[in-house]
Amino acid sequence: GAVVSQHPSRVICKSGTSVKIECRSLDFQATTMFWYRQFPKQSLMLMATSNEGSKATYEQGVEKDKFLINHASLTLSTLTVASAHPEDSSFYICSARVPGLSGEANYGYTFGSGTRLTVV
Amino acid sequence: DQQVKQNSPSLSVQEGRISILNCDYTNSMFDYFLWYKKYPAEGPTFLISISSIKDKNEDGRFTVFLNKSAKHLSLHIVPSQPGDSAVYFCAATDADKLIFGTGTRLQVFP
Repeated sequence: GAVVSQHPSRVICKSGTSVKIECRSLDFQATTMFWYRQFPKQSLMLMATSNEGSKATYEQGVEKDKFLINHASLTLSTLTVASAHPEDSSFYICSARVPGLSGEANYGYTFGSGTRLTVV
Repeated sequence: DQQVKQNSPSLSVQEGRISILNCDYTNSMFDYFLWYKKYPAEGPTFLISISSIKDKNEDGRFTVFLNKSAKHLSLHIVPSQPGDSAVYFCAATDADKLIFGTGTRLQVFP
């Protein structure tokens, strides 16, 4: 089945540094990917929609200058947390909707395994 | 503004009994509803879904009911098993986007 690979699974960084998270579609082309953030014991909040070859669309309240999204190819989207601070510590998950699978039970939605970011 | 809500943050059920997880939504334009199971530090795992034109969908031990007039859906798990213990999220589709509920932690005890 369609697989979305997310890397790294966990990262610890110092405050003020930048961290890049990668999300790859392994066996399909993803023109659109989605980035979510989950704080402990909270919901998965959609941060932005990543569109191949164009600018990402950010949800209200998400700082586009802090969460930089690049979707330069049909199989790779990256999220860079710029100048990370402890309050950015969270669990980040990417997702894609697989073309041609919208008729499946899961409507084609496929998720990465997530990245645990800890900023110290 | 939380468009999808799960008002019970936790639920505890005895093994073998029925687990009922509830979800409410505000946007009548949502097309599809999905339920996911999630463990800490992992991506969500798809369980079952329902189209907005249906009122019930069943898959093995899992049944989802949709009441559009009440903007309410529920997930029934029967019989519940200890391995079902996890956090359950309902989600709704808004165009291509998935909007998640707040989650319910289910604990199934022996």
